[in-house]
Amino acid sequence: DQQVKQNSPSLSVQEGRISILNCDYTNSMFDYFLWYKKYPAEGPTFLISISSIKDKNEDGRFTVFLNKSAKHLSLHIVPSQPGDSAVYFCAAPGTSNTGKLIFGQGTTLQVKP
Amino acid sequence: KAGVTQTPRYLIKTRGQQVTLSCSPISGHRSVSWYQQTPGQGLQFLFEYFSETQRNKGNFPGRFSGRQFSNSRSEMNVSTLELGDSALYLCASSPEAAYGYTFGSGTRLTVV
Repeated sequence: DQQVKQNSPSLSVQEGRISILNCDYTNSMFDYFLWYKKYPAEGPTFLISISSIKDKNEDGRFTVFLNKSAKHLSLHIVPSQPGDSAVYFCAAPGTSNTGKLIFGQGTTLQVKP
Repeated sequence: KAGVTQTPRYLIKTRGQQVTLSCSPISGHRSVSWYQQTPGQGLQFLFEYFSETQRNKGNFPGRFSGRQFSNSRSEMNVSTLELGDSALYLCASSPEAAYGYTFGSGTRLTVV
């Protein structure tokens, strides 16, 4: 049972344009979401998060939007840079304060110069 | 400050052997979680330790075990290795099992 889903395995965008990465979830009890970025041979790096009491959170070039009714979140990167090329994972805590994160399958973003 | 340190970075083992992986969390972090990353399954939660106690466990067979020491360092052990255990094993630490987990670079295990 995949509770967090990223249905697009890959995305390719031109430098300077917007990148939109999508994530869907099935468990309406999830109240917090995180995005991680991962380069090959490295561990995931925390990027941005959002609480379910908000519908938007912004940090520099990165903005995450949450649509609770649709159980959908998206990460927008504007403008996209070649250094953003990586695998992006969305995640949700499985249960409160137990250290378990449920990850989506990841989306590989390629930003072309 | 030092990040999460995992050793070794790479490991090659033979089917049937056992392996122990080590994780040193960020100083002051008491929660340590382990994940397995494979191309087909993505990032899968293995278990989480907090103050030397396992608080949560994922859906992995009993061949996968772990422990945490009083200094918060953690080890995970895989016994009777199978080819399917080949993966990147990631450790993450957090001050209080809140949501701010920092990951290490992982140990790449290859079972031949």
